[in-house]
Amino acid sequence: EPEVTQTPSHQVTQMGQEVILRCVPISNHLYFYWYRQILGQKVEFLVSFYNNEISEKSEIFDDQFSVERPDGSNFTLKIRSTKLEDSAMYFCASSEARRNNSPLHFGNGTRLTVT
Amino acid sequence: KQEVTQIPAALSVPEGENLVLNCSFTDSAIYNLQWFRQDPGKGLTSLLLIQSSQREQTSGRLNASLDKSSGRSTLYIAASQPGDSATYLCAVRPRNYGQNFVFGPGTRLSVLP
Repeated sequence: EPEVTQTPSHQVTQMGQEVILRCVPISNHLYFYWYRQILGQKVEFLVSFYNNEISEKSEIFDDQFSVERPDGSNFTLKIRSTKLEDSAMYFCASSEARRNNSPLHFGNGTRLTVT
Repeated sequence: KQEVTQIPAALSVPEGENLVLNCSFTDSAIYNLQWFRQDPGKGLTSLLLIQSSQREQTSGRLNASLDKSSGRSTLYIAASQPGDSATYLCAVRPRNYGQNFVFGPGTRLSVLP
């Protein structure tokens, strides 16, 4: 069964450094998402992406964050200058269609640790 | 703003028991509701998706129901097994508020052999 893949599985970085988290969504899916989960807290929406542009973003997704689909398969999340509070599990997800009749499929996540 | 809660926060049952996990949401204007399973340190595995027009969905030993008007969903697990031990999350896709999935905090299930 096709799946969403994320790399790396664990990233450790120093405060102030830039990180890029990578995702390969399911190949025939059109909508892509990033969510995050701080340890012990709820899964939170960051951003959705469709047709090569951001369709929605949450308050968390400030100017330090950006997303890109550099080619036909990868979908990346960049954090420009990491803060301690960015430490979390970051999940990529994709879906065939945005609304009805379309489940989200998640990757296994990238655990980001900012020291 | 859509809020999702789950009760109980944690549940421990002996193997073989049937059990029910509860999910509540504050705004009934939703497109659908999805149940996920999360193993420790892992991603989210989709279990069932219920459209707003549906009352229930079944997959193997799992049955999810939806009562949109009262803002509730239940996940029924029959004949529980130790391998069912995980955190179960529900998420709703609201018609308003940005229309992206809003997650509950999860129920941590332990099935004891």
